[in-house]
Amino acid sequence: GQNIDQPTEMTATEGAIVQINCTYQTSGFNGLFWYQQHAGEAPTFLSYNVLDGLEEKGRFSSFLSRSKGYSYLLLKELQMKDSASYLCAVPGAAGNKLTFGGGTRVLVKP
Amino acid sequence: ETGVTQTPRHLVMGMTNKKSLKCEQHLGHNAMYWYKQSAKKPLELMFVYNFKEQTENNSVPSRFSPECPNSSHLFLHLHTLQPEDSALYLCASSQDEGGTAYEQYFGPGTRLTVT
Repeated sequence: GQNIDQPTEMTATEGAIVQINCTYQTSGFNGLFWYQQHAGEAPTFLSYNVLDGLEEKGRFSSFLSRSKGYSYLLLKELQMKDSASYLCAVPGAAGNKLTFGGGTRVLVKP
Repeated sequence: ETGVTQTPRHLVMGMTNKKSLKCEQHLGHNAMYWYKQSAKKPLELMFVYNFKEQTENNSVPSRFSPECPNSSHLFLHLHTLQPEDSALYLCASSQDEGGTAYEQYFGPGTRLTVT
């Protein structure tokens, strides 16, 4: 089976940095996804990591450690529009069955 | 039209009604999915279709009945639902060939309220 843990909620100030952690247990690793979901909207793809290390994409970076079953999403220079839920997800052995974590709701304050 | 579309966006139905949710993807993908998102719970996978064949039924009650007539269209037929079935129902699609092709593209969802 698969299990994903991430914090429920985080608060940060505009312009600051926030790190959202995700730990997972999975039988067979096929990478890890991060999605962003604004309230009442569809999740949208942010990143996909399959190798260890940090991948940077503008203000957002994602890190993976396969040996530790750990990933984080780093949001820099926070903007008000970054207030959303951030979902960690891992595919199953067949690849197409994503298991999602409960999501971390990030609230950016002025 | 681009991406993944879903209709209706909002639906209110009684417990004795029959209704259908529709999803269409314009991305040329091979796999389509139905998810349920309830308040304060993780996204729950309901059904997976790969090349029009159902490959996953995640112990979903029979009052939810999926249909995939072709790779671009997916339906979720609803009948005799319960109030606890009220949720956001999301459709997604993916190329399904490995790696980043596992990336799923989501539709805007149907907000369902069962009264």
